[in-house]
Amino acid sequence: EAGVAQSPRYKIIEKRQSVAFWCNPISGHATLYWYQQILGQGPKLLIQFQNNGVVDDSQLPKDRFSAERLKGVDSTLKIQPAKLEDSAVYLCASSREPGTVNEQFFGPGTRLTVL
Amino acid sequence: AQSVTQLGSHVSVSEGALVLLRCNYSSSVPPYLFWYVQYPNQGLQLLLKYTTGATLVKGINGFEAEFKKSETSFHLTKPSAHMSDAAEYFCAVSDRNDYKLSFGAGTTVTVRA
Repeated sequence: EAGVAQSPRYKIIEKRQSVAFWCNPISGHATLYWYQQILGQGPKLLIQFQNNGVVDDSQLPKDRFSAERLKGVDSTLKIQPAKLEDSAVYLCASSREPGTVNEQFFGPGTRLTVL
Repeated sequence: AQSVTQLGSHVSVSEGALVLLRCNYSSSVPPYLFWYVQYPNQGLQLLLKYTTGATLVKGINGFEAEFKKSETSFHLTKPSAHMSDAAEYFCAVSDRNDYKLSFGAGTTVTVRA
């Protein structure tokens, strides 16, 4: 089966610009996650969707970050405006069913550099 | 919230030598425990997980980990390192109620020929 797809793989922008990332999870996976991985740190959960509803966005900086998952499939994560400290790899993951300890499958990530 | 500590941000081993990566968690109730590997420019891949039952867990690529409740540890080992094991390894925990993953800071493994 195809894995989690993300695009773009790399993005370089200047501070105060906007950027969007796209994620296509594994077919049939109900739960989708966005993580932020800053260099030298482990991934940190930003937001979790179950189908097209938000389960947890407690760590999402909502003044500048937004995310949506229309129709319960693809998802986009947006940053507007970007700050220098947003430089990181943004990972998307999906899992089959909510409410169980299912494996999360990760995409390759989008590496964002904010200048 | 769960937290996890990985001791040592970098580990260097010779090819054929033992690989030992340390992970400790902080929780009064044993959580679910995971080890993920990340190769350069790739996403994370699950190596193994502990949920319940046997405390010695075998994973892919010859890795295994042992859950020790008394030590709140879940250390990862491989008897004989290969060059292909060079990667970054993350220990993660999740609460038994919400299944959300909390990751350690990671340990980078280099393998010397």
